[in-house]
Amino acid sequence: AQTVTQSQPEMSVQEAETVTLSCTYDTSESDYYLFWYKQPPSRQMILVIRQEAYKQQNATENRFSVNFQKAAKSFSLKISDSQLGDAAMYFCAYRTIGGSQGNLIFGKGTKLSVKP
Amino acid sequence: EAQVTQNPRYLITVTGKKLTVTCSQNMNHEYMSWYRQDPGLGLRQIYYSMNVEVTDKGDVPEGYKVSRKEKRNFPLILESPSPNQTSLYFCASRRGGHEQFFGPGTRLTVL
Repeated sequence: AQTVTQSQPEMSVQEAETVTLSCTYDTSESDYYLFWYKQPPSRQMILVIRQEAYKQQNATENRFSVNFQKAAKSFSLKISDSQLGDAAMYFCAYRTIGGSQGNLIFGKGTKLSVKP
Repeated sequence: EAQVTQNPRYLITVTGKKLTVTCSQNMNHEYMSWYRQDPGLGLRQIYYSMNVEVTDKGDVPEGYKVSRKEKRNFPLILESPSPNQTSLYFCASRRGGHEQFFGPGTRLTVL
C-alpha cells in the first residue's frame, strides 16, 4: 500500500525568506501524481502544485516549486519570498494514475507559520 | 462558477440520529470522493465513486454509506452516528486524471 510521510509537523519562516517542506512516499508504481495542497484557516483545500512522475522536470508555480527525486521517493515543496498569506497547513498527497482508484493518499500535514 | 458544494457546513447532532451530508458538483465530473480530516491524521478517504451507480470503499468506510444516483450528487449518510465520527468532512470531484476539486468542508460534532 502506498504511504505518504511528512516528517515536520510544524515549520516557521520569516517573511520574505525561503522555506522547504519535506515529503517522502512509498509506492511500487512507476507512474503516479504527486500534489501539494494548502489549507488556510478557512479550511478550504487549495491545490498548490502538481507533479507527474513521468516528467523529470520539477514543477513550478510562481513562488512555489518542488524538488522531485523519484529514485529517493522524495517530493519537497519550496516556498520562496514567503508571505503572511502562506501561513497554513500544507499536505503532500499521492495518487495512482489510471485504474479504478480515485484515491488521494495524504500525509499528516505540516503547519507553516510566517513571522512578520 | 465551477464548484463543489456541501451542506450543511456545520452540524451538531446526538449519537444514533441518522444524518445526511449532501455534496453536489456542477462540472460533470465522473469521480467523486468523501474524506474525513482529523488532527494529526491528515485526510483519509471514506468512499469514492467512479460514476453513476458505481461506488467503492476507501480507507475508513465503517459507519458510513454513500449513493450515486445522479452524476452531480454524492451524499454521505451516517445511519447511526457515534462520537468517533466527529470530524471535518470533505467532498471532492475530478474528471479523469485532472485536478481534484474540494468542497468547503462540513464540521460534524456527534455528542
